[in-house]
Amino acid sequence: DSGVTQTPKHLITATGQRVTLRCSPRSGDLSVYWYQQSLDQGLQFLIQYYNGEERAKGNILERFSAQQFPDLHSELNLSSLELGDSALYFCASSAGTGSWETQYFGPGTRLLVL
Amino acid sequence: AQSVTQPDIHITVSEGASLELRCNYSYGATPYLFWYVQSPGQGLQLLLKYFSGDTLVQGIKGFEAEFKRSQSSFNLRKPSVHWSDAAEYFCAVGGGSQGNLIFGKGTKLSVKP
Repeated sequence: DSGVTQTPKHLITATGQRVTLRCSPRSGDLSVYWYQQSLDQGLQFLIQYYNGEERAKGNILERFSAQQFPDLHSELNLSSLELGDSALYFCASSAGTGSWETQYFGPGTRLLVL
Repeated sequence: AQSVTQPDIHITVSEGASLELRCNYSYGATPYLFWYVQSPGQGLQLLLKYFSGDTLVQGIKGFEAEFKRSQSSFNLRKPSVHWSDAAEYFCAVGGGSQGNLIFGKGTKLSVKP
């Protein structure tokens, strides 16, 4: 158990809908990262937050947004969903922002868009 | 730009045999390198990491990896594979000024009895 929790575990929805994925980092970690894992793209970095502020952006679509709240949990919002958004979405946390820091991954949320 | 290549998509080894999973990276400076393992239906678990010092790094579950700057490689090894090692293995590099990880496509390991 990494100490990172993600809810829900599974999500099935229809095209055009909006969903929210939730992540609670390990106790004491200030950084939260979101990654998308799909068969064709592999593991892709989406976005990072540090202590409530956006820190870095990767290949995140404009339809997607995220935020980190004062209690450090984070939410990833996916809107106008398309079939191609079906994937496993991981949240990871680390103590700080350095590239050398270990990132601890949650179990993921599997999203299926029908 | 940083990148990670794992040349082998799928490897099958017999239980008790040795294992080496290959990883090559492209990075301008001294890289921070990681190996993660993902079991079916699970998240990613860190096996080991390299960020400085001794180029031979020991990890959990009997794994080790060697950083070779001249070959831009960070191969993962295990002397004797167990059936429970069947999983997908990902090599990653720390992304410079950004803290995110850049992952390879992964190598799926199957273990024959």
